[in-house]
Amino acid sequence: DAMVIQNPRYQVTQFGKPVTLSCSQTLNHNVMYWYQQKSSQAPKLLFHYYDKDFNNEADTPDNFQSRRPNTSFCFLDIRSPGLGDAAMYLCATSIASGRGYEQYFGPGTRLTVT
Amino acid sequence: RKEVEQDPGPFNVPEGATVAFNCTYSNSASQSFFWYRQDCRKEPKLLMSVYSSGNEDGRFTAQLNRASQYISLLIRDSKLSDSATYLCVVNGDGGSQGNLIFGKGTKLSVKP
Repeated sequence: DAMVIQNPRYQVTQFGKPVTLSCSQTLNHNVMYWYQQKSSQAPKLLFHYYDKDFNNEADTPDNFQSRRPNTSFCFLDIRSPGLGDAAMYLCATSIASGRGYEQYFGPGTRLTVT
Repeated sequence: RKEVEQDPGPFNVPEGATVAFNCTYSNSASQSFFWYRQDCRKEPKLLMSVYSSGNEDGRFTAQLNRASQYISLLIRDSKLSDSATYLCVVNGDGGSQGNLIFGKGTKLSVKP
């Protein structure tokens, strides 16, 4: 089945230790997104790629970076995680259709910072 | 003013009940509207897109009122498995493919 895959599902890192989260998709969608979601809050868009074009949200901290080496893969790099970066990180994909840009989410990576 | 507002609930309803959620959005240029469902500690899953004329998918009916800038979701004959948080999602401006704004969600709990 076509899907969005995230690895790892659970990640524990130390304060200040760089971490990379990965996302892959078999949907062949041209748009990929990274969201941060904290408990009882709405998912917050960090950035997205439209094909190779990178779009950063204005309030996304510089500590968060992303790479998209090809259509199928996208990475989220957190250069120096702080305690406040503990959250669920969700990857999503979409493609333009007559219904706009419906987004399909991966299962998420739950990040713990110790 | 928050961009997408929802009543957080919880809505506690018995099985078989009909329940409705509303959502308001602030950007009149928004063009795309969706309802997502999110189970505890899981990812959001697309429930349905919302069309201008309103649309139905089984027990679920979505309506859009552009003049008043609100969206509704009606669930008929509630099942225990409908218990989840329902997220109202709106694109933030007329054309941006990435700028989806999520509401904080409305929690629904269906009891036996």
